[in-house]
Amino acid sequence: RKEVEQDPGPFNVPEGATVAFNCTYSNSASQSFFWYRQDCRKEPKLLMSVYSSGNEDGRFTAQLNRASQYISLLIRDSKLSDSATYLCVVNERAGGGADGLTFGKGTHLIIQP
Amino acid sequence: GAVVSQHPSWVICKSGTSVKIECRSLDFQATTMFWYRQFPKQSLMLMATSNEGSKATYEQGVEKDKFLINHASLTLSTLTVTSAHPEDSSFYICSARDSGLASYEQYFGPGTRLTVT
Repeated sequence: RKEVEQDPGPFNVPEGATVAFNCTYSNSASQSFFWYRQDCRKEPKLLMSVYSSGNEDGRFTAQLNRASQYISLLIRDSKLSDSATYLCVVNERAGGGADGLTFGKGTHLIIQP
Repeated sequence: GAVVSQHPSWVICKSGTSVKIECRSLDFQATTMFWYRQFPKQSLMLMATSNEGSKATYEQGVEKDKFLINHASLTLSTLTVTSAHPEDSSFYICSARDSGLASYEQYFGPGTRLTVT
């Protein structure tokens, strides 16, 4: 059974702080990994793909640890607009195209002024 | 960027009726579309993979006779919830992948909130 586990939070963090959360996946054959962001009652939107070498996009950094089967997301200098639910997403096939995605339940982040 | 639309945005129907939800890729062609369902405080769950011109592939536990999927063109997939019951009330979201690109990113529609009374 494919499973993706995340701490649901909520994480209450002051504006400007750095916050990180992890996600673990059970299927060692998983090939592609993503972080999506979902705002309340909205569809998920791709935040970033996660590569084996790690990748950074502005204030966001994603890391993948295949040996331990976990993915991390780091947000620096957090903004009020970062408040959302962050979904860890895994796909068994490379690129995540031919198969549907397996979503974690999400980590709820609240940035406080 | 790629845009996926869904209609209706929300629908309230009576138990026993059928509801059709449309998913369209507006500026790209999608050989494959996906249908997900999300209950409150739960993760998105893949229901089925919709393939243009062929039968959909359903995930385990999803009744294919209850959730009818038609993918008749490269830009449109429909999900029909037949004989809806209150337990079918949920947030239904489709996604599509651009068949013409090497990128495997999936683009999500805005979702359809179904309430069955």
